Amino acid sequence: SQTIHQWPATLVQPVGSPLSLECTVEGTSNPNLYWYRQAAGRGLQLLFYSVGIGQISSEVPQNLSASRPQDRQFILSSKKLLLSDSGFYLCAFSGTGSSYEQYFGPGTRLTVT
Amino acid sequence: GQSLEQPSEVTAVEGAIVQINCTYQTSGFYGLSWYQQHDGGAPTFLSYNALDGLEETGRFSSFLSRSDSYGYLLLQELQMKDSASYFCAVRPKNYGGSQGNLIFGKGTKLSVKP
Repeated sequence: SQTIHQWPATLVQPVGSPLSLECTVEGTSNPNLYWYRQAAGRGLQLLFYSVGIGQISSEVPQNLSASRPQDRQFILSSKKLLLSDSGFYLCAFSGTGSSYEQYFGPGTRLTVT
Repeated sequence: GQSLEQPSEVTAVEGAIVQINCTYQTSGFYGLSWYQQHDGGAPTFLSYNALDGLEETGRFSSFLSRSDSYGYLLLQELQMKDSASYFCAVRPKNYGGSQGNLIFGKGTKLSVKP
């Protein structure tokens, strides 16, 4: 079966520190991968998506970056966190051509202090 | 541009039927999806309407009318566990470099009372 893992579950980081969030998918090959951010009580904002290894598209210009070093691994990074980076970060995957049906990881709740 | 409008909150009682509406403005899209998210949890996929009409999955149904730029999620025989936020999402066409990716509404928080 298809599963998605995301860690850590919670993270408290000081302003200016680096960030690395990791997401891995099992049970599927060549998935589309997505990073979203959700502010408290708000909808989902697409940050990055990837259709293959090394192929990253950015939706929102900011101090975050993403990488896909392996087919089923997606990493969200920052060199220097801002207070505004706080939020709930969600990784998701879908099959090629079926982005309407996305499966989400458990999320990382990031608090920048 | 692309935008989806949903009511921010809806309250209903156990056993009742509730309809959550989603109106959208988009130049073209492939279909309308619905997701459920419990507090503190991740969104889970509920349904997808590629064509106009009603799609039924158990107690949940979803409807799409492209001519009216409107869709809804219908929840029947409400249970306490249905208390959650519900998001509609569209897959827009010709959306810059993100063709086929989802744009989400801000969500509707459903509270089911005993």
